[in-house]
Amino acid sequence: QQQVKQSPQSLIVQKGGISIINCAYENTAFDYFPWYQQFPGKGPALLIAIRPDVSEKKEGRFTISFNKSAKQFSLHIMDSQPGDSATYFCAGGPNFGNEKLTFGTGTRLTIIP
Amino acid sequence: ETGVTQSPTHLIKTRGQQVTLRCSSQSGHNTVSWYQQALGQGPQFIFQYYREEENGRGNFPPRFSGLQFPNYSSELNVNALELDDSALYLCASSTGLINEKLFFGSGTQLSVL
Repeated sequence: QQQVKQSPQSLIVQKGGISIINCAYENTAFDYFPWYQQFPGKGPALLIAIRPDVSEKKEGRFTISFNKSAKQFSLHIMDSQPGDSATYFCAGGPNFGNEKLTFGTGTRLTIIP
Repeated sequence: ETGVTQSPTHLIKTRGQQVTLRCSSQSGHNTVSWYQQALGQGPQFIFQYYREEENGRGNFPPRFSGLQFPNYSSELNVNALELDDSALYLCASSTGLINEKLFFGSGTQLSVL
């Protein structure tokens, strides 16, 4: 299975700061790139997703930046809040559907007051 | 709108035993995907069921098998359990449409001793 490499493994950000998580993928057949948020004891929940025909997508405080030529994408969380403390997973999916996602290894984000 | 429910929440088995995990998909969803999430890792795709037929499989051995029922609920069966099978098993349902988001359950935590 082609990998999706995610960094950093863990991240501590002060309240109000910008959290940035990076991912790189190998499979050029990927056509759908979601970010999932997971709280302890819960399953992942979709946060935001992008297709490679755009370079950026913004939803509220969450922005995905996408660089197709570099095969990289990143999640930016503006004005980070303690409630954003969770584990974040990037993923890539094939162009014929998103169910068969390949996930990154996750980033544990902690927002401190 | 009912969410994805999984049972049991926790399970302890011994090596060599067999286990069945259950998943009720979200109302209106006809596709169920199963993922294995090892500690500190991202979810890994096991297989997907669409309208009671297997519709894609990840890199898992045949001792991982599944079923989907006419009401679109699903079972994951694992035979001849190994220590490395210890993980959180996640079920996700979707409408099966291209790029529809996955709705994950909270998972079944399986420990193999």
